[in-house]
Amino acid sequence: AQSVTQLGSHVSVSEGALVLLRCNYSSSVPPYLFWYVQYPNQGLQLLLKYTSAATLVKGINGFEAEFKKSETSFHLTKPSAHMSDAAEYFCAVSRRALTFGSGTRLQVQP
Amino acid sequence: SQTIHQWPATLVQPVGSPLSLECTVEGTSNPNLYWYRQAAGRGLQLLFYSVGIGQISSEVPQNLSASRPQDRQFILSSKKLLLSDSGFYLCAWSGSERETQYFGPGTRLLVL
Repeated sequence: AQSVTQLGSHVSVSEGALVLLRCNYSSSVPPYLFWYVQYPNQGLQLLLKYTSAATLVKGINGFEAEFKKSETSFHLTKPSAHMSDAAEYFCAVSRRALTFGSGTRLQVQP
Repeated sequence: SQTIHQWPATLVQPVGSPLSLECTVEGTSNPNLYWYRQAAGRGLQLLFYSVGIGQISSEVPQNLSASRPQDRQFILSSKKLLLSDSGFYLCAWSGSERETQYFGPGTRLLVL
């Protein structure tokens, strides 16, 4: 069975501060891991994905994530938050379909 | 390029009424198709997925059903809606299992 745990349902940062959203996974096979972003009343947009190539994955909008097998983690980071980054972020692991974490709502304070 | 459409965008239905939500994909053939539900304040739950016409797998037994009458069409249905069916319904497609899934804009359903 595969699962994803996102630590922290809400994260608040100041504009310009580091963004760190945590994701830990459980997988019986080498995982494919994804981060998606959802803006209010919209579908999900892919930020980045890991498919067993480079462990540091760069995505859109300045986000990146590092796959750490020893820690079973795939945390999402961005060096400097923008107001436009305020959204809900979902980590997911892929089997036949995606198994999503419960999501983390990011607030960016001016 | 590929695009995915969902309609309607918003729907308000009384308890006990039927439901039909439609999802279509353009620009690709033989996609894997998925229906997810997102309840208020909760994550996404996989409802159904399909790897081909007439092939439907149900992940969670419930009041809903799905059909795939054409290669790029995926329909979510119910004969009698429950209050608990309210939520945001998302359709997605992928080229194959484990590949990136691309999501539609969603349908917000409110059952009163």
